[in-house]
Amino acid sequence: EAQVTQNPRYLITVTGKKLTVTCSQNMNHEYMSWYRQDPGLGLRQIYYSMNVEVTDKGDVPEGYKVSRKEKRNFPLILESPSPNQTSLYFCASSLVFGQLNNEQFFGPGTRLTVL
Amino acid sequence: KQEVTQIPAALSVPEGENLVLNCSFTDSAIYNLQWFRQDPGKGLTSLLLIQSSQREQTSGRLNASLDKSSGRSTLYIAASQPGDSATYLCAVPKGGGSEKLVFGKGTKLTVNP
Repeated sequence: EAQVTQNPRYLITVTGKKLTVTCSQNMNHEYMSWYRQDPGLGLRQIYYSMNVEVTDKGDVPEGYKVSRKEKRNFPLILESPSPNQTSLYFCASSLVFGQLNNEQFFGPGTRLTVL
Repeated sequence: KQEVTQIPAALSVPEGENLVLNCSFTDSAIYNLQWFRQDPGKGLTSLLLIQSSQREQTSGRLNASLDKSSGRSTLYIAASQPGDSATYLCAVPKGGGSEKLVFGKGTKLTVNP
């Protein structure tokens, strides 16, 4: 089944404890992206990747890191999480970016709480 | 700067009613427009994608239209059911060095039995 998977789905952690949220897609997509969703603010992009070894900042990259060492995986790293990073996180992917039939697929989300 | 607006923010209808959700965008230079459904605390499920060259797309009881020149899209839901209750989001891609989807804030739909 074609899908975007994220792990973990739920995570409660404490301030300063490094964590990684994994994202994997099995559709051979070049483009991958991370968003966070917060009440009243909607979905905001954190980082994106146009292809392997190509990453760039989105609208709210502070406090996050990413890497794209292989096509299928795009992990989101929080080196020193803080309470303002408590949010619902989504990974997304598409075959490429910016074409007419370019449909984006989203993972199931990761609910992160930082105490 | 691309901005996407969805009106109304919330909508409550009785079961069986046909309804229309609205989405407007400020920059008409788009490749496509995508409609999503989100259940509370869950992921985004892609419902329909309309390419910029298309006027309509249909999937089951859903029909999405696109008028690029006026910067509008509508999602028509026929014969609504309680299971349609969710938040519906529209999004358009934005490129030019910031490759992302720009989302509206969504319309929260409640279909009452």
